[in-house]
Amino acid sequence: DGGITQSPKYLFRKEGQNVTLSCEQNLNHDAMYWYRQDPGQGLRLIYYSQIVNDFQKGDIAEGYSVSREKKESFPLTVTSAQKNPTAFYLCASSYPRAPFGYTFGSGTRLTVV
Amino acid sequence: KNEVEQSPQNLTAQEGEFITINCSYSVGISALHWLQQHPGGGIVSLFMLSSGKKKHGRLIATINIQEKHSSLHITASHPRDSAVYICAVSPYNTDKLIFGTGTRLQVFP
Repeated sequence: DGGITQSPKYLFRKEGQNVTLSCEQNLNHDAMYWYRQDPGQGLRLIYYSQIVNDFQKGDIAEGYSVSREKKESFPLTVTSAQKNPTAFYLCASSYPRAPFGYTFGSGTRLTVV
Repeated sequence: KNEVEQSPQNLTAQEGEFITINCSYSVGISALHWLQQHPGGGIVSLFMLSSGKKKHGRLIATINIQEKHSSLHITASHPRDSAVYICAVSPYNTDKLIFGTGTRLQVFP
């Protein structure tokens, strides 16, 4: 079945360490997105990519980095510069003619201790 | 003020009740999305609307573009409908979404 795979589901890291969250899709979608979710807030856009080897900053990109070397993959690195990295991270992809527009992954809950 | 507002924030219902969740937005949009998030965190797309009304099983979504308002209705609610329901809009000329903060629904047997 086509979909988005995020791994791992839960991740624990020590403060000051960089960590990379994986997002893979087999939907042949051109666009991919990373969102952050905090309690009581709507999802906020971190980075997005509309095509391979190109990506743009979203509303809260500081402290994060991404790459898009393959159409299927859009990994997110949470760097030590991110002041409050503990959050739930969701990856999504989209294709203009998809019935629902967007497909979301199951998320990664990152806890920094 | 958020560009996408949902009400209510929390909703409790007895099994079988008719549920309505509302979403108002303040930007011009090409589409509105209703999403469902279960306790595990993953999000499922329920509807994408640009006009009128859509129905899928016990779920109905409507949108009024002139009033910038959408509603999600659940008929004959069931405990398995318990989840957070999120409204999101696609502003004109962008692939990005703006999300509401969600409505937490609990349906008791």
